[in-house]
Amino acid sequence: SQQGEEDPQALSIQEGENATMNCSYKTSINNLQWYRQNSGRGLVHLILIRSNEREKHSGRLRVTLDTSKKSSSLLITASRAADTASYFCATVYFSGGGADGLTFGKGTHLIIQP
Amino acid sequence: DGGITQSPKYLFRKEGQNVTLSCEQNLNHDAMYWYRQDPGQGLRLIYYSQIVNDFQKGDIAEGYSVSREKKESFPLTVTSAQKNPTAFYLCASSIEGRLGNQPQHFGDGTRLSIL
Repeated sequence: SQQGEEDPQALSIQEGENATMNCSYKTSINNLQWYRQNSGRGLVHLILIRSNEREKHSGRLRVTLDTSKKSSSLLITASRAADTASYFCATVYFSGGGADGLTFGKGTHLIIQP
Repeated sequence: DGGITQSPKYLFRKEGQNVTLSCEQNLNHDAMYWYRQDPGQGLRLIYYSQIVNDFQKGDIAEGYSVSREKKESFPLTVTSAQKNPTAFYLCASSIEGRLGNQPQHFGDGTRLSIL
């Protein structure tokens, strides 16, 4: 099935640095969403970007979407220890007359070193 | 406080048993979802429901069953037919039923293990 894939699988940076993670997907999308998951917890929605948008901001987060390359990136600026988590992109694909599924990648595990 | 409540947090199942995981939301959301997460993996969709008394199979529905008799509740039964049920199960909801058009709100999950 279609799936977003995050890259890198793991990322370790120093507190205060910027973190960038990428997501690639296979088919045309209606929108793309980014989520954060702290260890052993549920996912928290960060940003939804629609296929007709190229960039979106929310606080220290910046998401870009390039539909021609079927890719998205999530930038976290001025990272903090509390940003340590796994980050997932999610896409929905359609076939026939309706939605067939919402798929998540395997995530990027981000570690912020103090 | 509005949100999604999953219970129990930890659940153990003996071979051959069915177990039911609870998911309740007080967000007045139409759509609800069940996902399975294995270690180091992303989420895979088991079932989703866009409206009361209706639900659809996701990618990995075999060995699972659901019901949606009330808007607030979407319980998941892991049947004995599911041969590898050990996983972290996440329930989510969203405002509208068209899958993926709205952010999803997640519960804190149920970790199921086989005795």
